[in-house]
Amino acid sequence: AQKVTQAQTEISVVEKEDVTLDCVYETRDTTYYLFWYKQPPSGELVFLIRRNSFDEQNEISGRYSWNFQKSTSSFNFTITASQVVDSAVYFCALSEPGGSYIPTFGRGTSLIVHP
Amino acid sequence: DAGVTQSPTHLIKTRGQQVTLRCSPKSGHDTVSWYQQALGQGPQFIFQYYEEEERQRGNFPDRFSGHQFPNYSSELNVNALLLGDSALYLCASSHPTGVQNYGYTFGSGTRLTVV
Repeated sequence: AQKVTQAQTEISVVEKEDVTLDCVYETRDTTYYLFWYKQPPSGELVFLIRRNSFDEQNEISGRYSWNFQKSTSSFNFTITASQVVDSAVYFCALSEPGGSYIPTFGRGTSLIVHP
Repeated sequence: DAGVTQSPTHLIKTRGQQVTLRCSPKSGHDTVSWYQQALGQGPQFIFQYYEEEERQRGNFPDRFSGHQFPNYSSELNVNALLLGDSALYLCASSHPTGVQNYGYTFGSGTRLTVV
């Protein structure tokens, strides 16, 4: 079974639309960490956010916001007023002691923002 | 402050050949991990090096081997290349206090094509 599921393979929006990228995870550990990374065409994975399992507060950073819900094992990512520069592949990852804290990545969601 | 640097950026090899990829971690990081990312997939963990030893290994055959040097830089070696080894190989480094706290810093990767 997949540890991290990103069901949306590709999302296409027009600039200024809001978009939410879904992430569902699976773990038996009570302490774990969740991450979001952005991968532009250059290939480098850019760190966006880290959230530990004891902190369920939602976080906002500029146009980015994250909704962590342990009850549904979800860690969704919303981009408000999307821009063309947001076009990239976004990965959700899980780091857990049962996996020696080696991040396990989802398959990614490709976001295309049209002008 | 230089981040993670990888070389070469692109490489074309023939099936059956051997290849060596190189990685220099971010300054202050002592742990290096390697990931394989096939087209359209999320990164898959190959192995992790710490204190010049392989600390963790993913589900990859022995054809994949590595090394870490005293300056924390690392090499990934792949023997007897198969067409299926064509992928983006990502190197990631992490802080001495542990990946669970700070996450990984990734390089831009080496694009390996096996023909």
